[in-house]
Amino acid sequence: GENVEQHPSTLSVQEGDSAVIKCTYSDSASNYFPWYKQELGKRPQLIIDIRSNVGEKKDQRIAVTLNKTAKHFSLHITETQPEDSAVYFCAASRGNQGGKLIFGQGTELSVKP
Amino acid sequence: GAVVSQHPSRVICKSGTSVKIECRSLDFQATTMFWYRQFPKQSLMLMATSNEGSKATYEQGVEKDKFLINHASLTLSTLTVTSAHPEDSSFYICSANSAGGPDTQYFGPGTRLTVL
Repeated sequence: GENVEQHPSTLSVQEGDSAVIKCTYSDSASNYFPWYKQELGKRPQLIIDIRSNVGEKKDQRIAVTLNKTAKHFSLHITETQPEDSAVYFCAASRGNQGGKLIFGQGTELSVKP
Repeated sequence: GAVVSQHPSRVICKSGTSVKIECRSLDFQATTMFWYRQFPKQSLMLMATSNEGSKATYEQGVEKDKFLINHASLTLSTLTVTSAHPEDSSFYICSANSAGGPDTQYFGPGTRLTVL
């Protein structure tokens, strides 16, 4: 069945450093790849997404890259801040209306001041 | 932006009772809503896809007779946990597709269910 693998499970960086989280997916029909940030006890918040017709997308300190051939995509956070500390989830879907999201296992990011 | 609400935010019930959780899209119509369950320090696991006016589609391993889903309108889906047991204690989250972006899912705030 569909599967999304996410690494690392935990990541600790110093404030100002960059953080990279990587995901691979198994369903070759996937064409929509969102990233969510979830703080403890809260709902997941969409922070950036990418569709399969582009290889990279950037929004201020956050960027996502996609390699469809290798079926992997990555989240890059630059100039990390303590408020970036949270659990980050990648996901993949076929992108049609009603397309279900398959989530990765999550990465707990800790940014130390 | 697209706002999804859930009610209640927290519920504590006795083993054997049923609990209903509501998911509403407040400022858009959602033909499809999704129900997830999240155990502590784990990922979101899709339970079922809720389609307005038709039967829900359940993921493998999810008991449809235990987790009843009703999507009676374009803004409301309900999940009823029947005969709840302590192992059903979890964080239940719904999501809905925004009419403006077919791919984007927006999540409700979640419901913390504790079964004693």
